[in-house]
Amino acid sequence: DTGVSQNPRHKITKRGQNVTFRCDPISEHNRLYWYRQTLGQGPEFLTYFQNEAQLEKSRLLSDRFSAERPKGSFSTLEIQRTEQGDSAMYLCASSSTGLAGTQYFGPGTRLLVL
Amino acid sequence: AQSVTQPDIHITVSEGASLELRCNYSYGATPYLFWYVQSPGQGLQLLLKYFSGDTLVQGIKGFEAEFKRSQSSFNLRKPSVHWSDAAEYFCAVGGEGNMLTFGGGTRLMVKP
Repeated sequence: DTGVSQNPRHKITKRGQNVTFRCDPISEHNRLYWYRQTLGQGPEFLTYFQNEAQLEKSRLLSDRFSAERPKGSFSTLEIQRTEQGDSAMYLCASSSTGLAGTQYFGPGTRLLVL
Repeated sequence: AQSVTQPDIHITVSEGASLELRCNYSYGATPYLFWYVQSPGQGLQLLLKYFSGDTLVQGIKGFEAEFKRSQSSFNLRKPSVHWSDAAEYFCAVGGEGNMLTFGGGTRLMVKP
């Protein structure tokens, strides 16, 4: 069991650029979640997938954000036309279905928009 | 709507002293409750969880938490804190399979 992995771990970009993050979940988990965490705050839910279907999206997920999980395995989160307010840690988690569906988190991708 | 309150933003304890971190939640149905720990710049590690059954749950690293439905609380405890426990602790509530709602976190500092 290799755990949840995220790449890159750090990203610095200029305002207006597009960025893409990748998350590889635990292999047998069919649910995948994205959260955003700003400095000094708890994580906030963005979206989640069951297999390749995106089942729920937060109002935090503006039109500039898009997430995909094309084959039900890894997922990508893209932010278009980045703004300074997008600077945060982006966390991915995965879980199995059912009552034991505890979410296990990856190390996160820290984004800094200059 | 579900919510979690962690009333203490910072707590400092001496090494070897006992610890209790408070968590109060609001949730319309039977909640699933979690405590996670986060070291600086890292992701979240699960300490323990409550789904049903015994209201006192044991976790990793010597932590335990007690679910009290009448008080809507799920406080985290440890009898003797180690310097390596210094980190940020998050309480979270969720239903089956869907999003977790986290509290604002409690930063624990440990004095030698």
